[in-house]
Amino acid sequence: DADVTQTPRNRITKTGKRIMLECSQTKGHDRMYWYRQDPGLGLRLIYYSFDVKDINKGEISDGYSVSRQAQAKFSLSLESAIPNQTALYFCATSGPREGPYNEQFFGPGTRLTVL
Amino acid sequence: QKEVEQDPGPLSVPEGAIVSLNCTYSNSAFQYFMWYRQYSRKGPELLMYTYSSGNKEDGRFTAQVDKSSKYISLFIRDSQPSDSATYLCVYAGNNRKLIWGLGTSLAVNP
Repeated sequence: DADVTQTPRNRITKTGKRIMLECSQTKGHDRMYWYRQDPGLGLRLIYYSFDVKDINKGEISDGYSVSRQAQAKFSLSLESAIPNQTALYFCATSGPREGPYNEQFFGPGTRLTVL
Repeated sequence: QKEVEQDPGPLSVPEGAIVSLNCTYSNSAFQYFMWYRQYSRKGPELLMYTYSSGNKEDGRFTAQVDKSSKYISLFIRDSQPSDSATYLCVYAGNNRKLIWGLGTSLAVNP
C-alpha cells in the first residue's frame, strides 16, 4: 500500500465551486505539505504543517485553505475555484529523522481542472 | 535572479549514453543539494543528496557539487529507458526549506 495517498486523483470542476483535496499518510510523519505543479513554474509550496496545531502559509496560499484533522490527514480546500487554479497538486510528508536535507515523500498527485 | 536555474530540456538521448544534467544557484546559504526524480503521473522521489563539494556516486548516478561556482550536476552512466523522467535539482539551507528547480525532462530512447 502507498505511504501517502491522495483523493481524488482527477477532478474537473467549474468556476466558483468549492473543492477539497484530501491527503492521508501512514509514514507516521509529523510534517505535511501541499504543493502545486505547473508547467514552466515548477513546484510551489501552498501550505505546510509541522504538527496538528501548526499551520503555515507557503509562497502561494491566496485562494486556498487547509485543515490538519489528525497527524495522518491534511486537506486542501479551494473555497471558490478559478481557472488559474488548474494544476497538478501534490501532498508530501517528512519527519524529524529525514536528515537535515528534509527528504520529502510525495503522494501520486491530484490533477485538478477548473473550467 | 532566480534562486535556482535549471534548463527544462527536453533532453533526448540513445540508450547507453552518458547524461549530464545541470543546475546553478545564487544563494550561498544553501548547504544541502539534492536530485529528485519524477516519473510521469507520479510524485517526485529523492534520488540522491550531498552536502559537500565533490562527487558522490550511487550505482550509475553521480552527483557533483561545485560550491565555489554554485553549480551542481547529475551524471547518469549507461542510461536506460527506465531513466526517462523529469529530474529536479533541489536545495536546502539551515531552515530546511526546500528550493526546487523547474526540472529537466529526459527521454532515453531504446
